[in-house]
Amino acid sequence: EVQLLESGGGLVQPGGSLRLSCAASGFTFTNYGMSWVRQVPGKGLDWVSGISGSGGSTYYADSVRGRFTISGDKSKNTLYLQMNYLRPEDTAVYYCAKESMKYDLPSSAIDYWGQGTLVSVSS
Amino acid sequence: QSVLTQPPSASGTPGQRVTISCSGRSSNIGGNTVNWYQQLPGTAPTLLIYSNNQRPSGVPDRFSGSKSGSSASLAISGLQSEDEADYYCAAWDDGLNGRVFGGGTKVVVL
Repeated sequence: EVQLLESGGGLVQPGGSLRLSCAASGFTFTNYGMSWVRQVPGKGLDWVSGISGSGGSTYYADSVRGRFTISGDKSKNTLYLQMNYLRPEDTAVYYCAKESMKYDLPSSAIDYWGQGTLVSVSS
Repeated sequence: QSVLTQPPSASGTPGQRVTISCSGRSSNIGGNTVNWYQQLPGTAPTLLIYSNNQRPSGVPDRFSGSKSGSSASLAISGLQSEDEADYYCAAWDDGLNGRVFGGGTKVVVL
């Protein structure tokens, strides 16, 4: 059974940093790409970043490029999202998500989602 | 403002057929596959349709997807009360080099 367990959310001041983690189990971590998707409570889904199964390709939404970094640790089966220079508009529930393909994220679909972790950016 | 355009709401009575549209452009839907997600209240989204019209195992055949040009649609036939949820379309955008979602459609079962 695929399980994705996010952690690391919380309250942070504008300009601050936070690192989200996603512990993955139930599948071979390096055989699939992974993504982060966020959702402001009561609003729609907003894709944030993605990474290929090999870790060799990373993708970012324009709104976070240069501030967020996605990475994976295959020894720990864990996905990370390092978030720097946080802004109030980054406040959202962040979902860790498994892709259906290893390399070709454009042709892939998110087939499993975690339960999400809430990030609040406020002074 | 979402890159993919969906109607904010749709409704129907039990047993009816409801269709949700998703409009994009050549850089996203026109050139890549479309996926649909269902989000029940208070829960994480789940995959409903992938590769335009494929259902993952466990998804009832009441749900179907189609794509034509730069638009896609999701149809729910034989609407049931448990189908009341938010539905999102998604596709890769070659210009943005990232995935884009529609704004979501809330389906209400009257």
